[in-house]
Amino acid sequence: QVQLQQWGAGLLKPSETLSLTCAVYGGSFSGYYWSWIRQPPGKGLEWIGEINHSGSTNYNPSLKSRVTISVDTSKNQFSLKLSSVTAADTAVYYCARGLSSRSLAGYYYYMDVWGKGTTVTVSS
Amino acid sequence: SSELTQDPAVSVALGQTVRITCQGDSLRSYYASWYQQKPGQAPVLVIYGKNNRPSGIPDRFSGSSSGNTASLTITGAQAEDEADYYCNSRDSSGKVVFGGGTKLTVL
Repeated sequence: QVQLQQWGAGLLKPSETLSLTCAVYGGSFSGYYWSWIRQPPGKGLEWIGEINHSGSTNYNPSLKSRVTISVDTSKNQFSLKLSSVTAADTAVYYCARGLSSRSLAGYYYYMDVWGKGTTVTVSS
Repeated sequence: SSELTQDPAVSVALGQTVRITCQGDSLRSYYASWYQQKPGQAPVLVIYGKNNRPSGIPDRFSGSSSGNTASLTITGAQAEDEADYYCNSRDSSGKVVFGGGTKLTVL
């Protein structure tokens, strides 16, 4: 049973850098896309970006200038850095495992394993 | 703004059938996946691909698609199905997108 365990600082001041890490236990690291998603209080899910085992990244254009996602395959971990945070970055941040493939019926993408979430608050 | 559009709220009487829809151009190429999220919890995958349920998801949950619209159907809704539901896919540029979410109320 694959599990994702995430951790990182929960309280930041404006202009600081958010840093979170997600560890993958009980499964292969390769063959998947490892994503970060966030959810502001009372709002919907927003995809931040993803990385695969070889380090190829794909970011949400709205956050791309501030986001860095990296991977440490030796530890089966991937990390998120979001620079110059403001109050608008206050949210619950999730890590998740994604699978993108193609069947005879068409393309599909889904996230089947999620971390429990980390609440990040940005306040002066 | 989301590139996948969902109705903000839907209600269903206990034991009845409800359909939650998701519209977007990306759904012409990608099947939608669907997630259930209860308050204070992480999302849970309930449907992926053409109509696949992960292990442990009741068979009252099913998925379908036509053109640019994907649907999640709950046949015989239960009180525990009350939650927020999100659709998800990749868009034409390969980015991952979520719908804005639908709040399901079971009456």
